[in-house]
Amino acid sequence: NAGVTQTPKFRILKIGQSMTLQCTQDMNHNYMYWYRQDPGMGLKLIYYSVGAGITDKGEVPNGYNVSRSTTEDFPLRLELAAPSQTSVYFCASIGTGAFFGQGTRLTVV
Amino acid sequence: RKEVEQDPGPFNVPEGATVAFNCTYSNSASQSFFWYRQDCRKEPKLLMSVYSSGNEDGRFTAQLNRASQYISLLIRDSKLSDSATYLCVVSGGGGNKLTFGTGTQLKVEL
Repeated sequence: NAGVTQTPKFRILKIGQSMTLQCTQDMNHNYMYWYRQDPGMGLKLIYYSVGAGITDKGEVPNGYNVSRSTTEDFPLRLELAAPSQTSVYFCASIGTGAFFGQGTRLTVV
Repeated sequence: RKEVEQDPGPFNVPEGATVAFNCTYSNSASQSFFWYRQDCRKEPKLLMSVYSSGNEDGRFTAQLNRASQYISLLIRDSKLSDSATYLCVVSGGGGNKLTFGTGTQLKVEL
């Protein structure tokens, strides 16, 4: 009964490095989302997917990429990390309400 | 104008008080409405959905006014454990996107 699992929980990156944030859900939901939340701010939508093979940009997609090869997995890729990408990242899948992963706290130095 | 607007607070209330949060949304085509709770440094968790007829879950009552594009959350008999940030969430449009307000912070004090 895992729900939404995000890895890693914490990460420090140097400017220009790349990484992939992993997100997996076991609820067979079609809709999945990536949000970022800056300190004291609300959640901003980065990318979303309405099903395997289908992705679309949200409010703040620049600097990120996603893929959705399976229903379960929705990884978020940062290609050239910048300090502005320091944030907490939440993955969510939508069924009857949104179910969130525990978040990834990313610091870019 | 923001898609979903909330008073950021903080609302500092004594234990046992009744407190109300309001939220307005700009997209009249929005279809679903929710209140989420977020504890410090944790992921948001669904508190309750909001229905047109209004709905209640224990000490929590949610109301929706589609004509005014306004959602409210009432918490009665506040507990210390209610201290958190309450997020107004609106759904609609392509991809069933959820749009979050920036949240209202509640601090319940002894």
